[in-house]
Amino acid sequence: DAKTTQPNSMESNEEEPVHLPCNHSTISGTDYIHWYRQLPSQGPEYVIHGLTSNVNNRMASLAIAEDRKSSTLILHRATLRDAAVYYCILRDGNQFYFGTGTSLTVIP
Amino acid sequence: NAGVTQTPKFQVLKTGQSMTLQCAQDMNHEYMSWYRQDPGMGLRLIHYSVGAGITDQGEVPNGYNVSRSTTEDFPLRLLSAAPSQTSVYFCASSYSGGLGEKLFFGSGTQLSVL
Repeated sequence: DAKTTQPNSMESNEEEPVHLPCNHSTISGTDYIHWYRQLPSQGPEYVIHGLTSNVNNRMASLAIAEDRKSSTLILHRATLRDAAVYYCILRDGNQFYFGTGTSLTVIP
Repeated sequence: NAGVTQTPKFQVLKTGQSMTLQCAQDMNHEYMSWYRQDPGMGLRLIHYSVGAGITDQGEVPNGYNVSRSTTEDFPLRLLSAAPSQTSVYFCASSYSGGLGEKLFFGSGTQLSVL
């Protein structure tokens, strides 16, 4: 069974915030939550990661539920360049477990 | 820096043939890994290495061999290709494999086994 569950697809209007959810109900205490995104015909690109606390960087914010069973990637203002597949990933030691990803469409 | 370089970009094999997918990084990263990506699925870890001479299995290691003789290179070998190994393969590296580190991915190798 997949360790993370994400919606298959989402749409957002350009310049609006986007909230991409992820469920990881079987997460263990030492698993880090990572988010990567993948543009067509490219390898995944790092977005953000966290363990327990909410995290911010220049690309996005990561909100982690208090029980750590879910998290949300927040893109504050979607641009056309943000159209990609976004993967929520659990890192357990040296192993990364990818979900099936959410395909984000940004509407001009 | 070139980052993570994968060769070839495309490859077609016949069932039973062998080949090696190459991966090289110029960032002095200790941790390197191989993933496969099948349509409609996320990436799945095949093998990984935390340094020269050290390798370990991931989620889907069957049918693949790896070795790590240098810090820079981490080749993936298919000894007898099968149609089930048709996939896109990605190599990724990070500095030391620490939990807080991000992975750097190559651009992928698209492999078709007929």
